[in-house]
Amino acid sequence: QKEVEQDPGPLSVPEGAIVSLNCTYSNSAFQYFMWYRQYSRKGPELLMYTYSSGNKEDGRFTAQVDKSSKYISLFIRDSQPSDSATYLCAMRGGSNYKLTFGKGTLLTVNP
Amino acid sequence: GAVVSQHPSRVICKSGTSVKIECRSLDFQATTMFWYRQFPKQSLMLMATSNEGSKATYEQGVEKDKFLINHASLTLSTLTVTSAHPEDSSFYICSARLWDREETQYFGPGTRLLVL
Repeated sequence: QKEVEQDPGPLSVPEGAIVSLNCTYSNSAFQYFMWYRQYSRKGPELLMYTYSSGNKEDGRFTAQVDKSSKYISLFIRDSQPSDSATYLCAMRGGSNYKLTFGKGTLLTVNP
Repeated sequence: GAVVSQHPSRVICKSGTSVKIECRSLDFQATTMFWYRQFPKQSLMLMATSNEGSKATYEQGVEKDKFLINHASLTLSTLTVTSAHPEDSSFYICSARLWDREETQYFGPGTRLLVL
């Protein structure tokens, strides 16, 4: 079993839809959870960062972490064509700064 | 803030030559920089962790003599791919960790390397 599992998609939704992206993980030592957005041929851009369990909201984006289930989610409300990209989840433990990434989910928002 | 640049953005070279890629933190000091490799439609794979003034720590399976990393200052790290071969063709991305915001990393735009 890989440490981080993420459905690679692709996921295609109409403009304005609510998008749900998810990752599961197996390492209970993970404490810091991040979502990155990566456009084609570009470096990842940090979207959301969450420590431990809970929710965090930033504009149209909401990140949720459920450590008991080892499950994290990113919700995108009112999705826009400019949201079309690959979304990568990433996480790390408390004392180790190395990030473990999911494979990424390719999202297309159709106008 | 938290801008990381990479140079060059794209490089094509002949097999057997060496290629140097620079990673700079533009508006902050980076305690640690990381080098990743990404193949098409794959996730990022950590190659090495670089701390200013000390030797890089390489991940298992990464040849340190082939991928030379130098972290000369708090704002600059370089990755040199020595004697490059076609199988080294990939997207190389660096990231930097802020010294006072240890929770995450900020990524550069990446360097696409094509070895002919």
